[in-house]
Amino acid sequence: ILNVEQSPQSLHVQEGDSTNFTCSFPSSNFYALHWYRWETAKSPEALFVMTLNGDEKKKGRISATLNTKEGYSYLYIKGSQPEDSATYLCASMDTGRRALTFGSGTRLQVQP
Amino acid sequence: DTGVSQNPRHKITKRGQNVTFRCDPISEHNRLYWYRQTLGQGPEFLTYFQNEAQLEKSRLLSDRFSAERPKGSFSTLEIQRTEQGDSAMYLCASSLGLQGRDTQYFGPGTRLTVL
Repeated sequence: ILNVEQSPQSLHVQEGDSTNFTCSFPSSNFYALHWYRWETAKSPEALFVMTLNGDEKKKGRISATLNTKEGYSYLYIKGSQPEDSATYLCASMDTGRRALTFGSGTRLQVQP
Repeated sequence: DTGVSQNPRHKITKRGQNVTFRCDPISEHNRLYWYRQTLGQGPEFLTYFQNEAQLEKSRLLSDRFSAERPKGSFSTLEIQRTEQGDSAMYLCASSLGLQGRDTQYFGPGTRLTVL
């Protein structure tokens, strides 16, 4: 059974600050790591799907890295904006399954 | 809008009643998933379909829960004899199904409150 953990649980930053969150997951039987952004009253939005050790992906001001050997991924937001306020979820998928196992999320609030 | 849709968005029911939720996936997607999210937790997997076949069910899916995807398009999730512990956000997602690691696209969820 996968146990995916995210830290910090919540984060308050000022507009313009850069920030990062951590997702840790069991490295055995690793298949893929997904990142989502979930704003209140909206659907979770897919950000990245990462599969290879050393992967780095970027979407605008958001980027992510993956270390499958030690079982962690970092999500970075450069120059945070109020519209970045959301809960950021990571989810791991192991080999042989199609279900995602989610962490509890990091709730980000960006103050103008 | 060609995203995943779910109905209803909110459902309030009394304990012991049956409820049914519907999910319409993105049209060309073969895989459909159900997850449940409770306060302060991330979504938890319930079940998934490849076309009309239900291929995996979580131990969270008790006998009171049943899911169907009769023609490989929309899906329904029914909860019989609801309990207060069933109160949660029920999320549906779909994916192309070409690879195991395809992106799963989520709907907005159905929030269930059992009184």
